[in-house]
Amino acid sequence: SAVISQKPSRDICQRGTSLTIQCQVDSQVTMMFWYRQQPGQSLTLIATANQGSEATYESGFVIDKFPISRPNLTFSTLTVSNMSPEDSSIYLCSVGTGTGIGYTFGSGTRLTVV
Amino acid sequence: KQEVTQIPAALSVPEGENLVLNCSFTDSAIYNLQWFRQDPGKGLTSLLLIQSSQREQTSGRLNASLDKSSGRSTLYIAASQPGDSATYLCAVRGQGSSNTGKLIFGQGTTLQVKP
Repeated sequence: SAVISQKPSRDICQRGTSLTIQCQVDSQVTMMFWYRQQPGQSLTLIATANQGSEATYESGFVIDKFPISRPNLTFSTLTVSNMSPEDSSIYLCSVGTGTGIGYTFGSGTRLTVV
Repeated sequence: KQEVTQIPAALSVPEGENLVLNCSFTDSAIYNLQWFRQDPGKGLTSLLLIQSSQREQTSGRLNASLDKSSGRSTLYIAASQPGDSATYLCAVRGQGSSNTGKLIFGQGTTLQVKP
């Protein structure tokens, strides 16, 4: 299965600022996925990032708040913009590497907004 | 709309016990079901993947079953160890192109295995 390197692993940010999270995959993948895990909650899909096209956002998530880049088949970034304490969560990227293999997740970015 | 429920929310057992974690889902039209482990503040580690056509999968001390018609999956952990302490998440992937890559997660079961 694919290996994902996600950075940063954690950060403490001031409200009103933005943070960009990076995910690097060791193989080419068509789709990358970004999830959010709020404290004490399970994971919720934010958006799907395809190379060469606009990301597809789930209900409740908008591009202005969570802009995503996908410049090539091994890399993606998620930016959390104009942060507020409610954005404090773990953010995870994920890829699926083929039928029958399932999905692999990065190690997560633990974000605290103060 | 697919909903995934995990019971119990938390479980504490003495070392060596066999245990069962439960996952149920409301829409049986799934492509597959995947069990993950999450250590505190960390990412997810995939444990087992069951395709919709399969009934069970095994890996070491772990065995996962799937009954798609009744919307249920169980994760069986044999001879539990303190190192098994973590949160266990099940996730289903729905059928159809609109669900490609979209995993719906349960709330998780937090397991504590006491030495």
